[in-house]
Amino acid sequence: EDKVVQSPLSLVVHEGDTVTLNCSYEVTNFRSLLWYKQEKKAPTFLFMLTSSGIEKKSGRLSSILDKKELFSILNITATQTGDSAIYLCAVLRAGKSTFGDGTTLTVKP
Amino acid sequence: NAGVTQTPKFQVLKTGQSMTLQCAQDMNHEYMSWYRQDPGMGLRLIHYSVGAGITDQGEVPNGYNVSRSTTEDFPLRLLSAAPSQTSVYFCASLPAVGNEQFFGPGTRLTVL
Repeated sequence: EDKVVQSPLSLVVHEGDTVTLNCSYEVTNFRSLLWYKQEKKAPTFLFMLTSSGIEKKSGRLSSILDKKELFSILNITATQTGDSAIYLCAVLRAGKSTFGDGTTLTVKP
Repeated sequence: NAGVTQTPKFQVLKTGQSMTLQCAQDMNHEYMSWYRQDPGMGLRLIHYSVGAGITDQGEVPNGYNVSRSTTEDFPLRLLSAAPSQTSVYFCASLPAVGNEQFFGPGTRLTVL
């Protein structure tokens, strides 16, 4: 059975801090690993990673995948209150996604 | 394109009632899925489909049925609602050669 574990489950920081969110998985032969942001509604897509060692960047967010050690991290630098959300990691295989329980990030002013 | 649409947005049922949550997509995506999300948890897969006429169970299929008679529609049926099925339900679609899932807005279901 595919398994995705995220840590920490929740995190409280202050504006300007840098955070690292972790995602480990027990899935073989997957197509891609995806990160989503969820703010009281449906998840919105952030990143898709398919190859090890290649860092994806979008402004203050970046992510990397390590297929040997079976984990991914999502970094957010210079956090803002608008970054407060649940961050979900998912692994896509054979047309279905397995999600972790998410990390709830709270950014205080 | 409307993307993925779900109806209704909110629903309250009594224990034992049945109902169907509707999901439709207009992007001609081959794959569709239903998830439920409980407070403090991620999305758990209920059922999914890799094409019209083909469905399969996910992690938490008990108490739910699906069918996929067309590429566009993927309804989820609750056979006899139970309080444990109180949750937010998301439908999603995915192209066969893509990686990004497109989510509907969700249905908030309460079973009393």
